[in-house]
Amino acid sequence: EIVMTQSPATLSVSPGERATLSCRASQSVRSNLVWYQQKPGQAPRLLIYGASTRATGIPARFSGSGSGTEFTLTISSLQSEDFAVYYCHHYNNWPPTWTFGQGTQVEIK
Amino acid sequence: QVQLVESGGGVVQPGGSLRLSCAASGFTFSGCGMHWVRQAPGKGLEWVAFIRSDGSTKFYADSVKGRFTISRDNSRNTLYLQMNSLRAEDTAVYYCAKDPTPEPVWGQGTMVTFSS
Repeated sequence: EIVMTQSPATLSVSPGERATLSCRASQSVRSNLVWYQQKPGQAPRLLIYGASTRATGIPARFSGSGSGTEFTLTISSLQSEDFAVYYCHHYNNWPPTWTFGQGTQVEIK
Repeated sequence: QVQLVESGGGVVQPGGSLRLSCAASGFTFSGCGMHWVRQAPGKGLEWVAFIRSDGSTKFYADSVKGRFTISRDNSRNTLYLQMNSLRAEDTAVYYCAKDPTPEPVWGQGTMVTFSS
């Protein structure tokens, strides 16, 4: 079973600063990696799929990189609406099971 | 546009049953694998189950195996999750989601809670 580990658990950042979130897989997941943003009371919002492709309507300040076991979500200049929890998600091709990281809380410094 | 709308959540007692539904629109439902994912209050995301596009193959998380059944009706563009022998730890928001082709799509979720 593949385990997804996100770091840090909490990231304190000032508005306008850069945020770098990490996600590590216990074995190679190729590029089958998705990033979500979630705010309280809301469903996860798709940000990045295929490790680096921005979803429709997602601002360019969000970028994803990596492949294999190491992945990064970068928010180039944090806006007030970006303070939320971020999850990485690995989708296995077959069997089609899904695994999630435990999340990174991005909070205002 | 692609849309998934869950329904059927509510308050249940331990040992009870509930059936969740997910109405799909905006894509060829019969051609897509589908998943259920849940999120307990204040916790992270947990994958629950998958069903192949034609319903022929199903996979479950160990935590629900033998108690939950995923199914679909392609004529109605609807996904289901039958939940039996419910436990307090099944309290969560339940989301349905479309298999990544190439990106996943999620519904807004339906809440399942327990009465004391």
